[in-house]
Amino acid sequence: GAVVSQHPSWVICKSGTSVKIECRSLDFQATTMFWYRQFPKQSLMLMATSNEGSKATYEQGVEKDKFLINHASLTLSTLTVTSAHPEDSSFYICSAHASGSFTGELFFGEGSRLTVL
Amino acid sequence: DAKTTQPPSMDCAEGRAANLPCNHSTISGNEYVYWYRQIHSQGPQYIIHGLKNNETNEMASLIITEDRKSSTLILPHATLRDTAVYYCIVRVVNYGQNFVFGPGTRLSVLP
Repeated sequence: GAVVSQHPSWVICKSGTSVKIECRSLDFQATTMFWYRQFPKQSLMLMATSNEGSKATYEQGVEKDKFLINHASLTLSTLTVTSAHPEDSSFYICSAHASGSFTGELFFGEGSRLTVL
Repeated sequence: DAKTTQPPSMDCAEGRAANLPCNHSTISGNEYVYWYRQIHSQGPQYIIHGLKNNETNEMASLIITEDRKSSTLILPHATLRDTAVYYCIVRVVNYGQNFVFGPGTRLSVLP
């Protein structure tokens, strides 16, 4: 199946710093990518929809100034957690639909675990 | 998108078939059934999907009832590495829309 790659897979940072997570579609183009957050023992929660060349659409309760999303090309979307705090520690996952698929399956990255000290 | 109901947990002996049920009684005619799994500390992995007919690939088989109100994911020979949370999702094809994940079924494959 289509491959979506995230980097870094894990990161530890100090409170108040910013962290950037990259999401790449390796063998297909993705005009739309999705960013999720997952807390321990909970299901995935959609944070925002990232659209190539335009502003991201954020879900209710997600601060757009804190979670900056940039989708500058058809194969790369980035999530920057600005001024991170311990409560931002979580597992962040991106996903994209594979171009050329007529049945809409979604492919996910490996996830990025953020720990804010 | 149609709502799905899955048992919260299941056990399966290693080497035996794992049969994971999903109820989607309100499914509409143009909605597909998708199955994903999430192994601990990894992103969800696509397994299989179907519309009406039964489907099989290298990972699993998907059996959809004739009325499409329920389906079963079959892992023919479960291994310890199949221990994961399995999600059944029903929705129309929409490239601009995400997938909504419910609580899924936590499958434990036991030695």
